[in-house]
Amino acid sequence: DQQVKQNSPSLSVQEGRISILNCDYTNSMFDYFLWYKKYPAEGPTFLISISSIKDKNEDGRFTVFLNKSAKHLSLHIVPSQPGDSAVYFCAASGRAGTASKLTFGTGTRLQVTL
Amino acid sequence: GAGVSQSPSNKVTEKGKDVELRCDPISGHTALYWYRQSLGQGLEFLIYFQGNSAPDKSGLPSDRFSAERTGGSVSTLTIQRTQQEDSAVYLCASSFGGLNTEAFFGQGTRLTVV
Repeated sequence: DQQVKQNSPSLSVQEGRISILNCDYTNSMFDYFLWYKKYPAEGPTFLISISSIKDKNEDGRFTVFLNKSAKHLSLHIVPSQPGDSAVYFCAASGRAGTASKLTFGTGTRLQVTL
Repeated sequence: GAGVSQSPSNKVTEKGKDVELRCDPISGHTALYWYRQSLGQGLEFLIYFQGNSAPDKSGLPSDRFSAERTGGSVSTLTIQRTQQEDSAVYLCASSFGGLNTEAFFGQGTRLTVV
């Protein structure tokens, strides 16, 4: 039962262009969503988050959009840089029950090419 | 230290042996997670501790896996009678555990069962 889904295992984007990473969730109890970035041989690092009371959160080159009705969120990186090449994980949590813990998607490997 | 610390960073063990993996969370964090990442796979949830509540063990793959958290701080993940399919990177994360808080990850322990 994959409650958080990242359907694209990989994405290749040219440097300077926009990278869009997508994430879908099924548990309506989720109300907090996060994106993590992971380099090889390192633990995931927190990137940006969004609460369900918002539909957009921006931090520099990174913007997360949330569409609650569609149970969909996306991470936009613009402009993309070679150092952004990593695996990106979407995560979600909620207030109680099975949603109270942090649940991760399977990740999308982003490759930013020169 | 300021971050989540895991030890050992690498562990090679023979099939059938028991192993213990240690996690020192960030001071003051009440929530602690264990995840694992097998080669080419996403983050697989194992167990979640939140304060004094009973841990959520729903992700433990078999009864060979157990974890404890002593004094609400350090956690140990124990794998008994290791199998080759247990080979993975085991990641620990901690958070303040309140609503809308991000989790911080350690560097992970790479376990190889030969």
